[in-house]
Amino acid sequence: DAGVIQSPRHEVTEMGQEVTLRCKPISGHNSLFWYRQTMMRGLELLIYFNNNVPIDDSGMPEDRFSAKMPNASFSTLKIQPSEPRDSAVYFCASSLALGGGFYEQYFGPGTRLTVT
Amino acid sequence: QQQVKQSPQSLIVQKGGISIINCAYENTAFDYFPWYQQFPGKGPALLIAIRPDVSEKKEGRFTISFNKSAKQFSLHIMDSQPGDSATYFCAASIEGSQGNLIFGKGTKLSVKP
Repeated sequence: DAGVIQSPRHEVTEMGQEVTLRCKPISGHNSLFWYRQTMMRGLELLIYFNNNVPIDDSGMPEDRFSAKMPNASFSTLKIQPSEPRDSAVYFCASSLALGGGFYEQYFGPGTRLTVT
Repeated sequence: QQQVKQSPQSLIVQKGGISIINCAYENTAFDYFPWYQQFPGKGPALLIAIRPDVSEKKEGRFTISFNKSAKQFSLHIMDSQPGDSATYFCAASIEGSQGNLIFGKGTKLSVKP
């Protein structure tokens, strides 16, 4: 299995530009999570989907952030317009959630975003 | 209520020593407590997990101790090795929450040779 795939691995952009991060979850997984990691705030959950439906987006910092999951094998996190304080490592994770029980989250390698 | 508080922020241990990382929670509905390990440049990966119906779980050199009444749990790394140097995150979850985890802030462990 290829694991969770994220692209790009590194992104450098100027303030005000649109940034799109992409994620391909593990095949067969039905939950997908977007996290942001910074030294100051640690690992923050931004949004998660179950069966392609957004379940909790309370962690999305503001309207500049949006996420979509058009199908079971692809998700995007978009920031528009980007700001320097958005600089962070963004992780996508997936899991197989079948109702009750406990599920391991498998993380991708992350996208390091730098906004200048 | 939804927070998981983790300490210390950083930890330096000599090779062969015991590393101890602590976490505390408030929400008594949490019923799954995993620990994730993250190496530089990588995503976190599941290390070991426990449910509150047991007080301890051991896997190799890694042990989770769980105190339900105190709402605390800890990770012990015995015979710590330089290869254990990483950031460790505790987390908590509620059954049926589609796998949603609440993570602690992380502990950066450095094991000195």
